[in-house]
Amino acid sequence: GAVVSQHPSRVICKSGTSVKIECRSLDFQATTMFWYRQFPKKSLMLMATSNEGSKATYEQGVEKDKFLINHASLTLSTLTVTSAHPEDSSFYICSASDGTSYEQYFGPGTRLTVT
Amino acid sequence: RKEVEQDPGPFNVPEGATVAFNCTYSNSASQSFFWYRQDCRKEPKLLMSVYSSGNEDGRFTAQLNRASQYISLLIRDSKLSDSATYLCVVNTGRRALTFGSGTRLQVQP
Repeated sequence: GAVVSQHPSRVICKSGTSVKIECRSLDFQATTMFWYRQFPKKSLMLMATSNEGSKATYEQGVEKDKFLINHASLTLSTLTVTSAHPEDSSFYICSASDGTSYEQYFGPGTRLTVT
Repeated sequence: RKEVEQDPGPFNVPEGATVAFNCTYSNSASQSFFWYRQDCRKEPKLLMSVYSSGNEDGRFTAQLNRASQYISLLIRDSKLSDSATYLCVVNTGRRALTFGSGTRLQVQP
């Protein structure tokens, strides 16, 4: 089956610093990648959709200058949380689609804690 | 109104029981429907797609009622390993998925 990896799996950073999270499709070409965020006991909320080679489309309420998304290749997308604050602490999950169906393959998630 | 609504539970059932979860969605243009399972602090994993004609996969049966905008999941002969949060997921054609907040199931010995 399709495999998606995320790195790091867990990160703790200080308030005001930036954190980069990588999402890789290991055995298929991901034409579209999605970034979700999940707060404790809440549902996954879509943050943005990125297509390879073009700018990401952000959901309402998600600041594009704070959550920088780059999808430079068909196997890699990155999410950078800039000037992180404690309220950015969350579980960030990426998913990838090969464009042939609506199925998405999820990465294992990155747990971010901002102190 | 939320786009996808689910009863959060928890549903506490004994092993061997049959349990059913329901979900409603608000967008009548929704095109694809899924049930995902999420274990604590893990990513969601696809359990099954849901088709208009209803579909079954072993102990799991999913039903879709487009007229009522309602999706269900039935689990028969519950196992301890079925304990998880079950997410109702809808695709409106934008390729992004809209997740319900999940229904927590706890199967007890």
